[in-house]
Amino acid sequence: AQTVTQSQPEMSVQEAETVTLSCTYDTSESDYYLFWYKQPPSRQMILVIRQEAYKQQNATENRFSVNFQKAAKSFSLKISDSQLGDAAMYFCAYTGTYKYIFGTGTRLKVLA
Amino acid sequence: SQTIHQWPATLVQPVGSPLSLECTVEGTSNPNLYWYRQAAGRGLQLLFYSVGIGQISSEVPQNLSASRPQDRQFILSSKKLLLSDSGFYLCAWSLRDHEQYFGPGTRLTVT
Repeated sequence: AQTVTQSQPEMSVQEAETVTLSCTYDTSESDYYLFWYKQPPSRQMILVIRQEAYKQQNATENRFSVNFQKAAKSFSLKISDSQLGDAAMYFCAYTGTYKYIFGTGTRLKVLA
Repeated sequence: SQTIHQWPATLVQPVGSPLSLECTVEGTSNPNLYWYRQAAGRGLQLLFYSVGIGQISSEVPQNLSASRPQDRQFILSSKKLLLSDSGFYLCAWSLRDHEQYFGPGTRLTVT
């Protein structure tokens, strides 16, 4: 069975600095997708970034980028120039077919 | 563009009462639909998913059931609520292998 592990329950970053959130996963499938979602205090789940496993190039969306290491089954999220609005829960997610598997989340605090 | 609606936004129900939460999607056809539950400060627990009308897969044996009477409508129900059913319920849709899009959620408190 597929699993997604986020080993950092909580992280802190100074405003304007860079932070990296870790995610590892386990699967025997060769084709799959990985995602990072943000959940602010409103609890609305917002897609941050997606990565297709068949693509070697790491995905980037403005200040957000991933480090996708397929062999190591690692999928970390880097947030550059952190802003106060980045404070939220961040969830890593995996899908290979219909089901989506979510990690337990990392709470990111941004310090002014 | 696609939008997803969930209602009600909040609900307070006594133990033993029935439940019906509704989710509808606009702007897409034949989406995969999902119900999740999230306890405070925790991750998402997949409850049900559906890949088509009348097709429901249950992930966790429990007091809840789901139905999909129309292509873009997904309903979460219970005949008798338990205290443990309290939580934040999220509906989501996706096209196969693509990202999921979530509704605003329903906060359910069973008293």
